[in-house]
Amino acid sequence: GAVVSQHPSWVICKSGTSVKIECRSLDFQATTMFWYRQFPKQSLMLMATSNEGSKATYEQGVEKDKFLINHASLTLSTLTVTSAHPEDSSFYICSASDRGGHSNQPQHFGDGTRLSIL
Amino acid sequence: DAKTTQPTSMDCAEGRAANLPCNHSTISGNEYVYWYRQIHSQGPQYIIHGLKNNETNEMASLIITEDRKSSTLILPHATLRDTAVYYCIITGANSKLTFGKGITLSVRP
Repeated sequence: GAVVSQHPSWVICKSGTSVKIECRSLDFQATTMFWYRQFPKQSLMLMATSNEGSKATYEQGVEKDKFLINHASLTLSTLTVTSAHPEDSSFYICSASDRGGHSNQPQHFGDGTRLSIL
Repeated sequence: DAKTTQPTSMDCAEGRAANLPCNHSTISGNEYVYWYRQIHSQGPQYIIHGLKNNETNEMASLIITEDRKSSTLILPHATLRDTAVYYCIITGANSKLTFGKGITLSVRP
């Protein structure tokens, strides 16, 4: 149980284009989803937290107009990197947890999306 | 959230127990100890978590000291596939996770 699927696994695109990454919880309802970014040889950095049906909460220094997050259903959240540039190239990882049942549920992570902007 | 201190790296022989330590001396009473691991180029994998009592599941055991200022993750029979970066994270219930540098475990044949 507790499977999180992320798509696509990798994407290469030209500078200036927008890229959408999907995160799905396959066997549970994810009331909360998280988006992280990881640069080479560094640890994961939380970008934003999204609760189903409400606006995402962004961490300090993360541009909300640059990284659009939509969490329209209990099983799907999307991250759109708008007008992507080479410095946005990174490993993007989502996680999901079910906070609707028992308290203190762990986050379960997708396998990540490797984004390369040329 | 309380800060954690982990060694940078350690290794162990395949088939032996791997004991990964974590110090969290500033942990508060309502904060949990979580362990995740990340195998190269994959998303982190949840291993185990606990509050006060020792915990065991199919993957590992978590031993928390009585004063809760440190803990140890035990992989009872390490395999080559357990080679990964292991993160010890302290967080409140249903709170966000802050990843540090973790400890790199290398399992040797």
